[in-house]
Order: sequence, then C-alpha cells, then structure tokens
Amino acid sequence: NAGVTQTPKFQVLKTGQSMTLQCAQDMNHEYMSWYRQDPGMGLRLIHYSVGAGITDQGEVPNGYNVSRSTTEDFPLRLLSAAPSQTSVYFCASSRDRGFRVTNEKLFFGSGTQLSVL
Amino acid sequence: SQELEQSPQSLIVQEGKNLTINCTSSKTLYGLYWYKQKYGEGLIFLMMLQKGGEEKSHEKITAKLDEKKQQSSLHITASQPSHAGIYLCGAAIIQGAQKLVFGQGTRLTINP
Repeated sequence: NAGVTQTPKFQVLKTGQSMTLQCAQDMNHEYMSWYRQDPGMGLRLIHYSVGAGITDQGEVPNGYNVSRSTTEDFPLRLLSAAPSQTSVYFCASSRDRGFRVTNEKLFFGSGTQLSVL
Repeated sequence: SQELEQSPQSLIVQEGKNLTINCTSSKTLYGLYWYKQKYGEGLIFLMMLQKGGEEKSHEKITAKLDEKKQQSSLHITASQPSHAGIYLCGAAIIQGAQKLVFGQGTRLTINP
C-alpha cells in the first residue's frame, strides 16, 4: 500500500492563479481531510470529508474548495491564490468517520509546500 | 485562539538528557494523539491515549493523559539525535468529533 499520496511536493504560484493539490489514499478510508501548517500555528483544518459525496468546512476554509467524488481521492482547489495561502499542506485519512474508536488515527501524506508570490 | 496549547514551543537539550513536552486543553479531550514530524516531512503517529490516567510507552517515549483528561505529557528518556523534530498533539475535543484539532507544535533539537 502506498498510503496517502500527495502531489505535487512543491509548487510556486503567482497571485490570482488557480491550482489543485491532489490527494489519494489506497486504504479504503472513509475519512479524508486537508490541513495547512504555518510556523507557530500548528496544523489547522481546512476541509474534511466523511465519505464520497460528503464534505464539510474546517477552521480555515476560505479560499479553498474540495470535492469527494470517489473514496480514494480528495483534491483541494485554490481558485485564486493569495500570498496568505503560502503554507505547507497536508492531506490525511482515517478509517472511521469519527475519532470515537480506540486506536483510530490519521494517516498523513508527506505534504505539499506551496508558495504564492 | 489555540484550543490545544503545547509547551514549550521550542526545546534544546543535550543528548542523553530527559525532557517533557506538555499539551493542555481547557476542554475534555476525547482521544489524544501524539505525532512526530521530521523537518520537511509528513507526520508519523506515535501514540494515542483515550482514558484518563492512561499511560503508553514506545521505546524511550512515554505519553500520559491526566485523570481529568485535559492535559497530556510526552516524556523522552535519554534523548538521542533521532528524537529531533517537531512534536504535535492532536485531539478530538468533542465526543464523537469528526475532526482533530492540533497544538502549535514543539520543536525539539538534540545537541551532541
């Protein structure tokens, strides 16, 4: 199993450009999520999904769109990139829809480093 | 405001010394997770605690969740260079929550 795969690893955008960060998992996980990591801020949840066709907002959803058409894929779209979106983005997945189950945990991808100039 | 507060934010210790990182919440924690991140890489799961008073160990790392389930500590014994990285605590702060919130991370440096 590859686990959680994120592409690309690095990306540089100009302000106003759009792009999609890809995330795929091969563990048949119901739950997928996107976090951004900024210095001194830890991880902040952008959007999450508890199954195909179901998405919801996290703490910092503005400027980002997501969709979940399949169990495996959960792309994150930046429609009009802004310098404030410069960050490291992590996709994560989990077997269960919630975190009530003992030993359930998030599996993380290796991250995408995004710079918006 | 941060729902989970980690302290310290940065820690430099001599190789071989013990150290402790704390994770505190003003709310009851339903599932407390510790992850480690090596610089420029993804997050690696270390341990998960669920019950008040629970303690788990893996190699030289021990994590505890206090009885009131509002604070967790991560203790490393006889630190090694391989322990260097960023440690993050994450938790479900609502029972049955569908999302984890994370602390701001503790950057650990081990000096030889």
